[in-house]
Amino acid sequence: GENVEQHPSTLSVQEGDSAVIKCTYSDSASNYFPWYKQELGKGPQLIIDIRSNVGEKKDQRIAVTLNKTAKHFSLHITETQPEDSAVYFCAANTGANSKLTFGKGITLSVRP
Amino acid sequence: DSGVTQTPKHLITATGQRVTLRCSPRSGDLSVYWYQQSLDQGLQFLIQYYNGEERAKGNILERFSAQQFPDLHSELNLSSLELGDSALYFCASNGGASLNEQFFGPGTRLTVL
Repeated sequence: GENVEQHPSTLSVQEGDSAVIKCTYSDSASNYFPWYKQELGKGPQLIIDIRSNVGEKKDQRIAVTLNKTAKHFSLHITETQPEDSAVYFCAANTGANSKLTFGKGITLSVRP
Repeated sequence: DSGVTQTPKHLITATGQRVTLRCSPRSGDLSVYWYQQSLDQGLQFLIQYYNGEERAKGNILERFSAQQFPDLHSELNLSSLELGDSALYFCASNGGASLNEQFFGPGTRLTVL
């Protein structure tokens, strides 16, 4: 089955700097890669996703890049703000199935 | 607010007991997914229902079961509870059997004493 690994497990950046979070996946049949943000006491919130037919997608300060050959995808957050502090999860679907396999999550801290 | 609702928010019970967690999907969504989130295992997919039928199964224990009702709300039943079942339980929903975007509810925190 699919295995999704996320690294690093924690990341601390200065406000205004960029943050990059990387994930790798194992199933070459996976074609959908979402990123979720989870704040304390809340459920995961979908912030951006990418499908395997594109290499990059951007939404304001957030972008995701996908390298299908290397089987990795990354979340890029520019001009970080304290409210970006949260746990971020990457995930990948299992082939044609909509089941998602999640990475372990990374705790992002943005220092004011 | 994702539009997915879950009740109760918190649940405290004893080992050996049985509990039921409830999820109402976003309006119009036919699929419901259940996940367990624990500190050591992360977010683990348990089971998916689509329009009342079981569609996919993940790491769901035999002591756990779920169903989706005609009004599309879903319930996750956990029985013979053990200390290790303490976790956050999330449901997510989307519009179809194989559409990928999933929208999560706020979760139910289960504590087994």
